[in-house]
Amino acid sequence: DVKVTQSSRYLVKRTGEKVFLECVQDMDHENMFWYRQDPGLGLRLIYFSYDVKMKEKGDIPEGYSVSREKKERFSLILESASTNQTSMYLCASTRLLADYEQYFGPGTRLTVT
Amino acid sequence: AQKITQTQPGMFVQEKEAVTLDCTYDTSDQSYGLFWYKQPSSGEMIFLIYQGSYDEQNATEGRYSLNFQKARKSANLVISASQLGDSAMYFCAMREVPTNQFYFGTGTSLTVIP
Repeated sequence: DVKVTQSSRYLVKRTGEKVFLECVQDMDHENMFWYRQDPGLGLRLIYFSYDVKMKEKGDIPEGYSVSREKKERFSLILESASTNQTSMYLCASTRLLADYEQYFGPGTRLTVT
Repeated sequence: AQKITQTQPGMFVQEKEAVTLDCTYDTSDQSYGLFWYKQPSSGEMIFLIYQGSYDEQNATEGRYSLNFQKARKSANLVISASQLGDSAMYFCAMREVPTNQFYFGTGTSLTVIP
């Protein structure tokens, strides 16, 4: 069974703090993704990575950075958290095959106060 | 322009009835994949069904089928014999093969009424 795990289910941080969200997958998937999910807006892509040390900006990269030093791990970094980054963050991974679905982690609900 | 459009924010269906959730997509690529995911209140994203752009037959998985109309760029999800456990958010997604990106719609909240 493919497993995608995220470091925290719930996180509360203060404005200005540096925040790290970790994602690990155990199926040797090439591609990994970070989304944020807000009511009425669906899932919006922040960054994705198709290989170690490679990253591509998604639709809303401002205020975020990512790191992929190992194939199984993809980290999302909020350099200086702001209240408008309060959201649900979902990590996903998939193979480099067109018909292969994404596997999602359980999500991290981040609250910035 | 939106890549994936789901025009039904909320839907209600009677238990045991069939329901269709609408999805239209926008791409100029010839090769792409279409996916539907279910997200119950617990929050996990569950893959339901896949349709490839070159597949001529509509995909089916148990009670789920995907009504694929390529010329109209629509990929509607049909759930037959609705069950109370089908109450959830449903997301339509598209994978563009050249860019390897996934695009999601805003979702449809389905409520099954006993």
